[in-house]
Amino acid sequence: DAKTTQPPSMDCAEGRAANLPCNHSTISGNEYVYWYRQIHSQGPQYIIHGLKNNETNEMASLIITEDRKSSTLILPHATLRDTAVYYCIPVVTGANSKLTFGKGITLSVRP
Amino acid sequence: GAVVSQHPSRVICKSGTSVKIECRSLDFQATTMFWYRQFPKKSLMLMATSNEGSKATYEQGVEKDKFLINHASLTLSTLTVTSAHPEDSSFYICSARHPQGTNEKLFFGSGTQLSVL
Repeated sequence: DAKTTQPPSMDCAEGRAANLPCNHSTISGNEYVYWYRQIHSQGPQYIIHGLKNNETNEMASLIITEDRKSSTLILPHATLRDTAVYYCIPVVTGANSKLTFGKGITLSVRP
Repeated sequence: GAVVSQHPSRVICKSGTSVKIECRSLDFQATTMFWYRQFPKKSLMLMATSNEGSKATYEQGVEKDKFLINHASLTLSTLTVTSAHPEDSSFYICSARHPQGTNEKLFFGSGTQLSVL
């Protein structure tokens, strides 16, 4: 699986958009980019995933660069409850797929 | 959404004893479950993949005789930490894969904080 690089932390003001970057320059053609988050002392939660096209769901938007070497997770209106560690995970999907978590980025949403 | 229940949420035990952690998928049958451990301020580390009806597949460096995994039914996987020592103190998290999907349908339990005295 591809390695990822994320800044260790960032913060944003409540109500503003949070843009979380991820570099995955060694991603292979059949790897999807998955984003999960982990709120303190809880299990991770799926957010969104994509292969090439930008994706949007009720939680977030995912922007993947054309060369697929990086992506950005966008939380359009961050709330205090979005404070968590966010993980970007390139992974091949399928029956034998398994997630390998990196260090992630700690997002702190301030009032 | 689908729910994965993990029990107990917290356990304190004496060194040398064994501790069993349960992971249940409450509203779906999971042929595959995963076990992770997480040390304070560190990321999750995959320990093993648990497949219903067969032996678990352990990641490199994880002692299979130390961490016994049983996936006897489609809704239950258990992790037993045998002869626990203080260095086994950690946050253990399970996850279960919904049969109608892949990683977007991977649901995590709320974790078990194990403290070995």
